[in-house]
Amino acid sequence: KQEVTQIPAALSVPEGENLVLNCSFTDSAIYNLQWFRQDPGKGLTSLLLIQSSQREQTSGRLNASLDKSSGRSTLYIAASQPGDSATYLCAAYNNNDMRFGAGTRLTVKP
Amino acid sequence: KAGVTQTPRYLIKTRGQQVTLSCSPISGHRSVSWYQQTPGQGLQFLFEYFSETQRNKGNFPGRFSGRQFSNSRSEMNVSTLELGDSALYLCASSHGQAKYGYTFGSGTRLTVV
Repeated sequence: KQEVTQIPAALSVPEGENLVLNCSFTDSAIYNLQWFRQDPGKGLTSLLLIQSSQREQTSGRLNASLDKSSGRSTLYIAASQPGDSATYLCAAYNNNDMRFGAGTRLTVKP
Repeated sequence: KAGVTQTPRYLIKTRGQQVTLSCSPISGHRSVSWYQQTPGQGLQFLFEYFSETQRNKGNFPGRFSGRQFSNSRSEMNVSTLELGDSALYLCASSHGQAKYGYTFGSGTRLTVV
């Protein structure tokens, strides 16, 4: 059964810093890995989707990488802003089932 | 194009009652998955429906059930509500093929008193 772990659980940084969020998964036979953002009490907003054949995806200040062999994905956020404050979740998809990590709660201080 | 629509947004029910939540996926999407999110357990998978058939099921009691209609809209039902069922219920829509990923609705906040 797939298990997804996210480290750290919480992160606080000053505005303007570059930061990395980590996601690890136990079953490397994934079809894709997706990063989401969740604001308090709201649904999930998809940020980046990396298919199993890809190594990375970029969108604006966000870059996500995938290393299936080591069971790891990272989300890189450049030049962080207070509006980036949210919980970031990664999810690994295999066997018609998407498993989520517990998330990293990010706070960007002005 | 319209996103994933979940209704109602908020719901307050009494212990022992039953509740039905609705999810309308993105047009053309044939898969709908349901998740329960609580502060203690995080996001937990309930079940997935694809073309009106349950394709996958999580580890929840039989009080939790669902169905999908021919227009891909899905409903989730919880019978004999317990206080512990209070949660944010999220549905996700997809084409049904893994490579396209999931799109989530805004969720239904269920409070059981």
